[in-house]
Amino acid sequence: DTAVSQTPKYLVTQMGNDKSIKCEQNLGHDTMYWYKQDSKKFLKIMFSYNNKELIINETVPNRFSPKSPDKAHLNLHINSLELGDSAVYFCASSLPGQGQFFGPGTRLTVL
Amino acid sequence: KQEVTQIPAALSVPEGENLVLNCSFTDSAIYNLQWFRQDPGKGLTSLLLIQSSQREQTSGRLNASLDKSSGRSTLYIAASQPGDSATYLCAVPGASGSRLTFGEGTQLTVNP
Repeated sequence: DTAVSQTPKYLVTQMGNDKSIKCEQNLGHDTMYWYKQDSKKFLKIMFSYNNKELIINETVPNRFSPKSPDKAHLNLHINSLELGDSAVYFCASSLPGQGQFFGPGTRLTVL
Repeated sequence: KQEVTQIPAALSVPEGENLVLNCSFTDSAIYNLQWFRQDPGKGLTSLLLIQSSQREQTSGRLNASLDKSSGRSTLYIAASQPGDSATYLCAVPGASGSRLTFGEGTQLTVNP
């Protein structure tokens, strides 16, 4: 299936831990994104990569570090997790000027 | 800074009704506008993408219109069904054509 996929779907962890979320798209898109959806369901951009290069870095704590090993992958590593990091994280991809396609989301719960 | 507002925040209708969801944006210099659907606990499904040069797009019972000059878009759903129950989100890309700014969504419930 052509799609944007994320792993894991659910992630439950303790405060202070380091965790990673992986994203892959097989749509041949040039640009990939990470969005955060908070408890009030509001979606906000975090990062955007175009052909493995960071082009958008919103006001996000530097505990969050995206990494794009190639055009089809964009991973998100989070250090020293805090309670406020609990949210659903969505990966997306697109071609220039076209609509964005979203992954199924990763629900992160920090205890 | 682009701001996107959706009205109403929630809507409950009986099955079969035609309905309109509204989206407004503050910066009319947009490349396109995208409507999404989100079911509870699920990801976002793209419904319609309207390019800035277009005035409307249709897909089945859905019709989206775009008026750039007034900073508005509407999503029209004809003959609503219980399966249409979900949160509908509109989003516009930024000046670089990349990051999406989302509205807070309209939570739609269609009652059988």
